[in-house]
Amino acid sequence: DTGVSQNPRHKITKRGQNVTFRCDPISEHNRLYWYRQTLGQGPEFLTYFQNEAQLEKSRLLSDRFSAERPKGSFSTLEIQRTEQGDSAMYLCASSSDRGRWDEQYFGPGTRLTVT
Amino acid sequence: GENVEQHPSTLSVQEGDSAVIKCTYSDSASNYFPWYKQELGKGPQLIIDIRSNVGEKKDQRIAVTLNKTAKHFSLHITETQPEDSAVYFCAAIASGAGSYQLTFGKGTKLSVIP
Repeated sequence: DTGVSQNPRHKITKRGQNVTFRCDPISEHNRLYWYRQTLGQGPEFLTYFQNEAQLEKSRLLSDRFSAERPKGSFSTLEIQRTEQGDSAMYLCASSSDRGRWDEQYFGPGTRLTVT
Repeated sequence: GENVEQHPSTLSVQEGDSAVIKCTYSDSASNYFPWYKQELGKGPQLIIDIRSNVGEKKDQRIAVTLNKTAKHFSLHITETQPEDSAVYFCAAIASGAGSYQLTFGKGTKLSVIP
């Protein structure tokens, strides 16, 4: 069990550019979550997938944000036309619906800096 | 929606002493309450959790208590060690009520002084 992995770990981009992050969940975990964490705050929910279906989206997920999970395995989070306010840590978590599905395990995160 | 308040925001204790972090929640439908430990530059690590049908749970030096009537839950760390220094987050979710999102508190920075 290698845990949740995220790539890249760090990303610096200029305002207006597009960025894409990848999350690989724990193997056999069919539930996948994206959260955003700003400095000094707890993680805030962005979106949730069960297998390949995106079932819940937060109002924080503006139309510049899009998430996908083709084939129900890894997921990508894309931010278009980045703004300085998008600078944050983007966290991915996964869980299994076998038993205690609400136990969410987090990856190390991708830290985004928009200059 | 759910709102989780966490106190204190910072906590310093001497090594060997106990530390207590408290959280309150607003949604009476919430029934799962995990605690996460986050070290600098890392993602949150699930350390213990409690469900609404249980009042207390213990795992070695850490324990969590839940008071459903008062809508608050607490993390207790005994015999603190320097490696316990980190930011701790409480969270809540109304699992089974059609919600999949954890709502987190703002965190408590725990410093254990050797």
